[in-house]
Amino acid sequence: QSVLTQPPSVSGAPGQKVTISCTRSSSNLGSHYDVHWYQQLPGTAPKLLIYDNNNRPSGVPDRFSGSKSGTSASLAITGLQAEDEADYYCQSYDNSLSSLYVFGTGTTVTVL
Amino acid sequence: EVQLVESGGGLVQSGESLRLSCAASGFTFRIYWMSWVRQAPGKGLEWVANIKQDGSEKYYVDSVKGRFTISRDNAKNSLYLLMNSLRAEDTAVYYCAREYSSSWRYFDLWGRGTLVTVSS
Repeated sequence: QSVLTQPPSVSGAPGQKVTISCTRSSSNLGSHYDVHWYQQLPGTAPKLLIYDNNNRPSGVPDRFSGSKSGTSASLAITGLQAEDEADYYCQSYDNSLSSLYVFGTGTTVTVL
Repeated sequence: EVQLVESGGGLVQSGESLRLSCAASGFTFRIYWMSWVRQAPGKGLEWVANIKQDGSEKYYVDSVKGRFTISRDNAKNSLYLLMNSLRAEDTAVYYCAREYSSSWRYFDLWGRGTLVTVSS
């Protein structure tokens, strides 16, 4: 199964910018697969945050932005707010034979 | 209101079976691929299975192949997951999720989840 590796945690003060990376470990790259991002607030279900690398669904603040280059993707949160404290997961297609989709390992964002 | 509502979770013994249900409302259920995604306590998300709009294609993660069966009833706007031979490692919150198709599909609508606890 492919693995999407994220840092376990990132933190920042209110108003600052934080960035979360998502790197595919599979040797057969999969650089053409889109990456999507989800936000999971404590005790709630995941919510779609970014789709197709850099698109925001309606209602998602423009403080959230995504980018992708090769087999790595990033989620940036600018103007960090207290309500952004959550777990964030990237997701993509799995180019192995053991699964269809793969989620990243998850990153906890803490607002200091 | 557009929503997914899961039910059927509970506490079972290792080796037993459980059937989860997901009721969809507020959208045209029959035109979407649907998935089950699970999250073990304190862990990350894991995709479990999905099913095509008409039920003709089904895919599973390796760890549940041969034990879990996904199905749907478009007339009832419902998705199901039959879980047999349950193991302790299947303990998780199970989410029903709608797949949206652009170039590569993603999950644009999630239910609140239902907790499955397998006791060994």
